[in-house]
Amino acid sequence: RKEVEQDPGPFNVPEGATVAFNCTYSNSASQSFFWYRQDCRKEPKLLMSVYSSGNEDGRFTAQLNRASQYISLLIRDSKLSDSATYLCVVNRLGQGFSFIFGKGTRLLVKP
Amino acid sequence: SQTIHQWPATLVQPVGSPLSLECTVEGTSNPNLYWYRQAAGRGLQLLFYSIGIDQISSEVPQNLSASRPQDRQFILSSKKLLLSDSGFYLCAWSPRVPGELFFGEGSRLTVL
Repeated sequence: RKEVEQDPGPFNVPEGATVAFNCTYSNSASQSFFWYRQDCRKEPKLLMSVYSSGNEDGRFTAQLNRASQYISLLIRDSKLSDSATYLCVVNRLGQGFSFIFGKGTRLLVKP
Repeated sequence: SQTIHQWPATLVQPVGSPLSLECTVEGTSNPNLYWYRQAAGRGLQLLFYSIGIDQISSEVPQNLSASRPQDRQFILSSKKLLLSDSGFYLCAWSPRVPGELFFGEGSRLTVL
């Protein structure tokens, strides 16, 4: 089982739609969770951290379910500019502290 | 504010040639530093991470190596490149107390 798994998509949605992505992780000792956004041929950029109580930033809402070991990202009122690949990231404890990335979910928002 | 610089941005190298990618972080002390690689159509693969000068952990055995000669400098090297080394190489840093990860703009390597 991969450490972090995501549906690769693409998710094709019309402008204004609500879309949700899930991500599952295998290491139950993981402590920190994040969503990153990556535009084509660019570096990933932090979208938001995911807290145990869930958190919201404008049109974006992130949730963490430790019991089922998944995190989610909800995007409301999708914009054309939301088109990108969304990467799920968890830390991995053990011999150090390192971040493990999912392969990403591609989102295409169409007019 | 903290910044991270990575260079060169793009390079094309022949098989068997050496490689050196450099990364520096400004505006912070004692960062954790990372090298990732993203092959075409694939996810980010952690190559190396470092918690301090000369303290480097390798995640994947291969013909790449990393060095951290100064607190805020991280170098990725190879003595002889393989075709499979082509990809998008990303340097990143995080605070010593675990927090978010911040990336440089990346170095796109094509090995011919």
